[in-house]
Amino acid sequence: QLQLQESGPGLVKPSETLSLTCTVSGGSISSSSYYWGWIRQPPGKGLEWIGSIYYSGSTYYNPSLKSRVTISVDTSKNQFSLKLSSVTAADTAVFYCARHERNSKGLLSYFDYWGQGTLVTVSS
Amino acid sequence: QLVLTQSPSASASLGASVKLTCTLSSGHSSYAIAWHQQQPEKGPRYLMKLSSDGSHNKGDGIPDRFSGSSSGAERYLTISSLQSEDEADYYCQTWGTGPNVVFGGGTKLTVL
Repeated sequence: QLQLQESGPGLVKPSETLSLTCTVSGGSISSSSYYWGWIRQPPGKGLEWIGSIYYSGSTYYNPSLKSRVTISVDTSKNQFSLKLSSVTAADTAVFYCARHERNSKGLLSYFDYWGQGTLVTVSS
Repeated sequence: QLVLTQSPSASASLGASVKLTCTLSSGHSSYAIAWHQQQPEKGPRYLMKLSSDGSHNKGDGIPDRFSGSSSGAERYLTISSLQSEDEADYYCQTWGTGPNVVFGGGTKLTVL
């Protein structure tokens, strides 16, 4: 059974960079059939896609966050990571990592496995 | 612009059925979507992918009580024989050729 587990600091100061890692177990991050994504959920609000990466390193980002987001992959560790720079209180959220199917056109599709999420609070 | 619209809330009685709706924006009626369930204090769980023709493929272990259907730009999730554990937020999700990923605002289902 595929499992994804987010890890990283639970508290980040304003203007600093938030860094999280997702560790994948029960499957290979190097599979050609999937992308790997980050999604966030502010307290009491809905889900927002942040961005996704293919094992080769190709990335796609939400245009509203693109200037502040970097997603990278480490296939040797079966992990992928998120960096979100210049954070403010508005970036406080539960962050989820998830796997997407790669569709017939080789692009993003639906999420089929999710991590349990990790709360990151932005506060001084 | 690719947008998914969901009613904020729904309710139904224990043992009854409920049909949740997700509406695709104009010009996107052929798009497939996915439904995800988020129980209180938990991460989302994939329920199914639902195509414009109503065909769907469910995630591992999803009970037969959950089914999907489509009509035009609307995508439906029907839950029959409602149980207390079905009380959750339900999100629809789609994907565009940007490429990009879009979520609906979610429907909070209360089981009475």
